[in-house]
Parts: sequence; structure tokens; C-alpha cells
Amino acid sequence: QKEVEQDPGPLSVPEGAIVSLNCTYSNSAFQYFMWYRQYSRKGPELLMYTYSSGNKEDGRFTAQVDKSSKYISLFIRDSQPSDSATYLCAMSAGNNRLAFGKGNQVVVIP
Amino acid sequence: GAVVSQHPSWVICKSGTSVKIECRSLDFQATTMFWYRQFPKQSLMLMATSNEGSKATYEQGVEKDKFLINHASLTLSTLTVTSAHPEDSSFYICSARLRGGGLDEQYFGPGTRLTVT
Repeated sequence: QKEVEQDPGPLSVPEGAIVSLNCTYSNSAFQYFMWYRQYSRKGPELLMYTYSSGNKEDGRFTAQVDKSSKYISLFIRDSQPSDSATYLCAMSAGNNRLAFGKGNQVVVIP
Repeated sequence: GAVVSQHPSWVICKSGTSVKIECRSLDFQATTMFWYRQFPKQSLMLMATSNEGSKATYEQGVEKDKFLINHASLTLSTLTVTSAHPEDSSFYICSARLRGGGLDEQYFGPGTRLTVT
């Protein structure tokens, strides 16, 4: 079993819809959870950074962490064509080692 | 804030030559920088962790004599791919940990696409 599982998609949604992404993990030591957005041929951009369980909201983005279920989610409200990208989840135990999901390709159709 | 740059953004070289890639934190100090490699439609694979003023720590399976890492200052780390071969062609991305930021809060550079012919 991989440390981090993420369905690669692709996921297509119409403009204005809510995008829902998630990752599951197996390592109970993970405490720091991140979501990155990566456009084609570019480096990942940090979107959300959370510690332990709970919700965090930043503009149209909401990150949720459920440590009991080893499940994290990212929601994008009012999706825009500019949100079309690959979204990577990442997590760590605070030891400088990030474990990444494979990435989920999202396409927002105008 | 927390901007990381890489140079060059892409490079083509002949087999057997060496290529140096620079990673800079532009507006913050980074005691720790990381080098990743990403193949098409794959996730990022950590190659090595670089601490300013000390030797890099390489991941299992990464040849330290082939991928030379130097972290000479708090804002600059370099990766040199020595005697490059076509199988080294990949997207190389560095990241920097924000000093004083959240634990494992890493900011990534834009990446360098290496093609070895």
C-alpha cells in the first residue's frame, strides 16, 4: 500500500461548480497536510497548509483533515477556468520529508 | 513572499556532459532546500535534502556522485548532474523550507526541464 493515495482523475467540471478533491494515507505519524497546485511545466504552488485535524478556509479554497479516517480533502468553490491544473496533496510527520500523492488533474470548462 | 527561482528553466545537453541547476530563495532565508525529480504524469520524488553549510542527504537509490549538491549560502543551492545520460532527462524541481515558517512548509521553484540527447 502506498503511503498516499490520490485518484489522478482527470476531473472535469463546469465553471462555477464546486471541485472536490481528496487523498487517503496510511501513515498515522503524518501531522502536516498540504495542497499544491501545479500548472503544466511549472513547479507546485502551495495553496493550503494545515496542522492536525480540522478545517481551514482561504478565499474559495477549503481544506479539511480527518486524521481518524486518514482522509484529507480540498474544496474549490465557484471554480474558474484558471483553476484548471493538477492538484497534489502532500503530508509529513514534521521530519522534512513530504509524501506526495500522484496529483489530480482538474479541468474547469467555461 | 516565499519566492523560489530556478535557473535555467530548460536545458538541452549532450550525453556525457555536466549540467548545473541553480535554486535561489529570493525573499527569505532557507536553511534547508530540497531537490526533487518529476517524470511525466508522475508525482515528485525527493532526491536529496540540502542544509546550508553541510553535506546533502541523499535518498536511497540516488547516486551522490552523479547528482552533486552544494548549498553554499542561505539563499542558494545548486544541483549538478554529472556525465548526464538520456535517462536523466526529467523535470528537476527544488524547494526551500521557510525559516521560521511552519514545519515542513516548503515553497517550490518553477522547475528545470533537462533533456539529454
